[in-house]
Amino acid sequence: NAGVTQTPKFRVLKTGQSMTLLCAQDMNHEYMYWYRQDPGMGLRLIHYSVGEGTTAKGEVPDGYNVSRLKKQNFLLGLESAAPSQTSVYFCASSYSFARAFFGQGTRLTVV
Amino acid sequence: AQSVTQLGSHVSVSEGALVLLRCNYSSSVPPYLFWYVQYPNQGLQLLLKYTTGATLVKGINGFEAEFKKSETSFHLTKPSAHMSDAAEYFCATPNTGNQFYFGTGTSLTVIP
Repeated sequence: NAGVTQTPKFRVLKTGQSMTLLCAQDMNHEYMYWYRQDPGMGLRLIHYSVGEGTTAKGEVPDGYNVSRLKKQNFLLGLESAAPSQTSVYFCASSYSFARAFFGQGTRLTVV
Repeated sequence: AQSVTQLGSHVSVSEGALVLLRCNYSSSVPPYLFWYVQYPNQGLQLLLKYTTGATLVKGINGFEAEFKKSETSFHLTKPSAHMSDAAEYFCATPNTGNQFYFGTGTSLTVIP
């Protein structure tokens, strides 16, 4: 049971480039989330999904887009990367208020 | 709306000493509350959770937390710190839409 898997684990982008982060979960969870983690700011919710085909904005959605075409996958896209998007990105999934399961993170640097 | 506040971004304790990490919540209804731990370069792992019932919750690795409604607190404790406890700890709560909101984190250093 792999849980929540994020790819890639590391990436360096130039300003203006685009990329997609993939999150896959094998626990049949309805809810999926993308967070970014920055020093001193904890985890901030970027976007989330309450089920296949649905997405919604979190606290810091600007500059990001998401898609959930399949229940097990949640994609986070950066159309035009900016240095302010340098961060560690975490994907999580859950089936209820009980708990959220996290991936190992993607460390993104935008230069 | 539910939210959590962690007091103290850095806490240092000696090995064998009591660990106390503070979390206060803001909610108009009894919340669900969680403590997660993050070891360096890893994702977050659930330490313990409070949903309903017993207010003293025991988690993994000897940690426990007590839900105190009168103080709107959910502080994390461990009687005796171990070097392996050095990590970042996050308090969290979900809102009614099942979105999990996290505190800003407390970095625990254990001094040998």
